[in-house]
Amino acid sequence: SAVISQKPSRDICQRGTSLTIQCQVDSQVTMMFWYRQQPGQSLTLIATANQGSEATYESGFVIDKFPISRPNLTFSTLTVSNMSPEDSSIYLCSVVGHDQETQYFGPGTRLLVL
Amino acid sequence: GNSVTQMEGPVTLSEEAFLTINCTYTATGYPSLFWYVQYPGEGLQLLLKATKADDKGSNKGFEATYRKETTSFHLEKGSVQVSDSAVYFCALSVIGSQGNLNFGKGTKLSVKP
Repeated sequence: SAVISQKPSRDICQRGTSLTIQCQVDSQVTMMFWYRQQPGQSLTLIATANQGSEATYESGFVIDKFPISRPNLTFSTLTVSNMSPEDSSIYLCSVVGHDQETQYFGPGTRLLVL
Repeated sequence: GNSVTQMEGPVTLSEEAFLTINCTYTATGYPSLFWYVQYPGEGLQLLLKATKADDKGSNKGFEATYRKETTSFHLEKGSVQVSDSAVYFCALSVIGSQGNLNFGKGTKLSVKP
């Protein structure tokens, strides 16, 4: 399994500002995923980030709101732009393991927007 | 399409009680099935998985058997502990989906001493 870290682990932000979340993996991986978990809810996939190509966004999520970078095979960032209280969630990154189907998750970033 | 349905929570048990959390699925293709656990204030951890019919995944005293005939992957543990208090998510992925996971809504388990 991969070891995944995220920064920051939590933050409190003001509405209208932006926050960039970092995800670092201890090995090279092709695919990385970004999820949102709203309070008391399950996980919703935001986008898939592949190195060297544009991220692929799920229905309901757009690049202007959630720009993603994937500069190399061990790192990705997700920015939550122009935040509102509705963006208060846990944001998690994940990677696919060597079996190409098991996902391993980072510890999450807990975001509160006031 | 692909989807996962798991029993509504919260589930409250006394220590050493038997646990079952039901999970059923629908899938186009041949899914692999997973249980993830989220302890309070933490991210998701893979608990166990099964990749084909009749496989049994097990870990930390938890078990789940991939039942193709009933499209189920129920999670069981014979004797729960307070430390098992967490939210449990059933999930599936289908071959060729590039690892995309479909999650159930999660079941919160509280174990009382």
